[in-house]
Amino acid sequence: EVQLGESGGGLVQPGGSLRLSCAASGFTFSSSWMHWVRQAPGEGLVWVSRINSDGSSTTYADSVKGRFTISRDNAKNTLYLQMNSLRAEDAAVYYCARDRSDYGDYYMDVWGKGTTVTVSS
Amino acid sequence: QSALTQPASVSGSPGQSITISCTGTSSDVGGYKYVSWYQQHPGKAPKLIIYEVSNRPSGVSNRFSGSKSGSTASLTISGLQAEDEADYYCSSYTSSSSGVFGGGTKVTVL
Repeated sequence: EVQLGESGGGLVQPGGSLRLSCAASGFTFSSSWMHWVRQAPGEGLVWVSRINSDGSSTTYADSVKGRFTISRDNAKNTLYLQMNSLRAEDAAVYYCARDRSDYGDYYMDVWGKGTTVTVSS
Repeated sequence: QSALTQPASVSGSPGQSITISCTGTSSDVGGYKYVSWYQQHPGKAPKLIIYEVSNRPSGVSNRFSGSKSGSTASLTISGLQAEDEADYYCSSYTSSSSGVFGGGTKVTVL
């Protein structure tokens, strides 16, 4: 079964750091572009970041550029999101998602259940 | 990277058809074929229902259809059913190689 499972969420103070992980199974992770998408409570989906299959190309939303870093370990079938200098507005459920296209065309066909990040003092 | 514009809510009776619009610019929806739609039920992860403007992934009902004209994409749900009650989001590739979602539309089945 194709699955994604996020972990690493929690409570962090403003200005703090957190690293999210996303474990993949049931498909060829090393061939897939991957994304992080977040959703604040009661709000809509917001795209955060994208990485290509071998990790050599990354893209970020302006709101997180310079603070967040997406990466992957294909040997471990795991996607990461390092989040630094966290702000209250970064609080959200963070989803990892697989892109079904070969070129990262933003067609996210497999999603995890999400992990919750809370930013508060 | 401003969010694409969707109506906040759309409603319809069972069996009717409804259409959700998604308006962007020439830098996103209007400039590319990379438009997709997602369905999200409360407390659940989103589900891809349309990709590349009008294509349905395997297993998605053919009651869902997508189209685009200029900088506005549309999702039509025909034969509305109770299970279609959910939030719907459009998404597009942008000229800066980033992605952008719409603000979301709540569909209510009357």
